[in-house]
Amino acid sequence: DIQMTQSPSSLSASVGDRVTITCRASQDIANYLAWYQQKPGKVPKLLIDAASTLQSGVPSRFSGGGSGTDFTLTISSLQPEDVATYYCQKYNSAPFTFGPGTKVDLK
Amino acid sequence: QVQLVQSATEVKKPGASVKVSCKASGYTFTNYGVSWVRQAPGQGLEWMGWINTYNDYTNQAQKFQGRLTMTTDTSTSTAFMELRNLTSDDTAVYYCARDLGDPYWGQGTLVTVSS
Repeated sequence: DIQMTQSPSSLSASVGDRVTITCRASQDIANYLAWYQQKPGKVPKLLIDAASTLQSGVPSRFSGGGSGTDFTLTISSLQPEDVATYYCQKYNSAPFTFGPGTKVDLK
Repeated sequence: QVQLVQSATEVKKPGASVKVSCKASGYTFTNYGVSWVRQAPGQGLEWMGWINTYNDYTNQAQKFQGRLTMTTDTSTSTAFMELRNLTSDDTAVYYCARDLGDPYWGQGTLVTVSS
């Protein structure tokens, strides 16, 4: 099975900082990658699918990139409401594994 | 509007089974699959399985083989997830989601396994 890793596992940043989270697949998954944001006690929210397609209503400070095995989620200017855990998920073929998550908080 | 409404909180004893429902509305049920995802307390998201609602074909994570059954009732646009032989490690919030890479998720169902 393809393994999904994320780095870092957690980060602290200041409001206005640029934040980049990396997701790596152990094999080529083309662009079949989604990014989710989850705030404590809430349902995960889809931010990006197809590696770089921003969902309707998601602020433009979020962007996704990459293909094949290496992917990034970037927040161009971190806002207080972005404090959350971020997960990537592959969906090219089963199993549709999630990454372990990256917890983002404010410095 | 698209909605996925899940069944209520469950408390089960070790060794028991649980069946969670996910009622869909606002779209043609058989045009999209349903994924099941769980999240243990303080842990990450874990994909459990996916069902094709048109033909009932399923895929599931290896760790649930033999314990997990996913079904649908197209007459009521409802998907079901049954997990058998529960242990305390199965204590989690269970989510259904419309298909994969899709923004529509159920509200979650807390399943607590405790003696």
